[in-house]
Amino acid sequence: NAGVTQTPKFQVLKTGQSMTLQCAQDMNHNSMYWYRQDPGMGLRLIYYSASEGTTDKGEVPNGYNVSRLNKREFSLRLESAAPSQTSVYFCASITDPYGYTFGSGTRLTVV
Amino acid sequence: GQQVMQIPQYQHVQEGEDFTTYCNSSTTLSNIQWYKQRPGGHPVFLIQLVKSGEVKKQKRLTFQFGEAKKNSSLHITATQTTDVGTYFCSLAGGTSYGKLTFGQGTILTVHP
Repeated sequence: NAGVTQTPKFQVLKTGQSMTLQCAQDMNHNSMYWYRQDPGMGLRLIYYSASEGTTDKGEVPNGYNVSRLNKREFSLRLESAAPSQTSVYFCASITDPYGYTFGSGTRLTVV
Repeated sequence: GQQVMQIPQYQHVQEGEDFTTYCNSSTTLSNIQWYKQRPGGHPVFLIQLVKSGEVKKQKRLTFQFGEAKKNSSLHITATQTTDVGTYFCSLAGGTSYGKLTFGQGTILTVHP
C-alpha cells in the first residue's frame, strides 16, 4: 500500500544509547519531515528535507541528526538519548495540495 | 516563527451535540490545513483552505477560513462516537512550502 512507513513502532532506550528511526515513502514526494508529539504540545518540527540532498533544522533540532538517504528514505538519529526525548515521533511527506501523509509513528521511551 | 492558537484545548460533548474548534493566528495565512488524530493513531489530513471566506463541507464537518485569513474553524454537526480524537489546524509558513506549524489541538470526547 502507498504511504509512509516508519520503523520501529516501539522502542525503549537507556539514557546515553543511540538509535536511528527509519522512514520511507513510496509516493515519490520531494519533501519529508520529522515531528515529535508530546502531550499538550501538539506536533513540533524537528528536521525536514525539502528535496533529496537537502536537510534543514526545524523548531526543536537539538539532540537529533537526520539523513536523506535518497528520495524515498529520511532517517532520524538520536546520538545520545535523554529522558527529555521520550515522545512519539512521526515522519511525514507532503503532496501539494493534499497535505501531509503521516507514518504510524514510533513511540520512544528513554529511561 | 508563526504562532497559532487553537481553542478549546478540551471539549466533552454528548453524542448528538455539535462541536466547534477555532484556530487563530496573529498574521495573515496563505492557507490552513486541518487534521484529525484518533487516540493512539497518527494525524490524518482532512482539508486545506486557501481562499478568504472559504467554506467547505465534508458530510457533518464544516470548515471555514476567515475573511481576513487569520482564523479558521471546524464545526461538527451531531457528533458521533467515531468523531472522538484530536483535531489540529496547521499553518503554512515561511518560504519553504510544506513546513507547517501545528496548533496544540482540541481533544474531543463524545459520550454515548
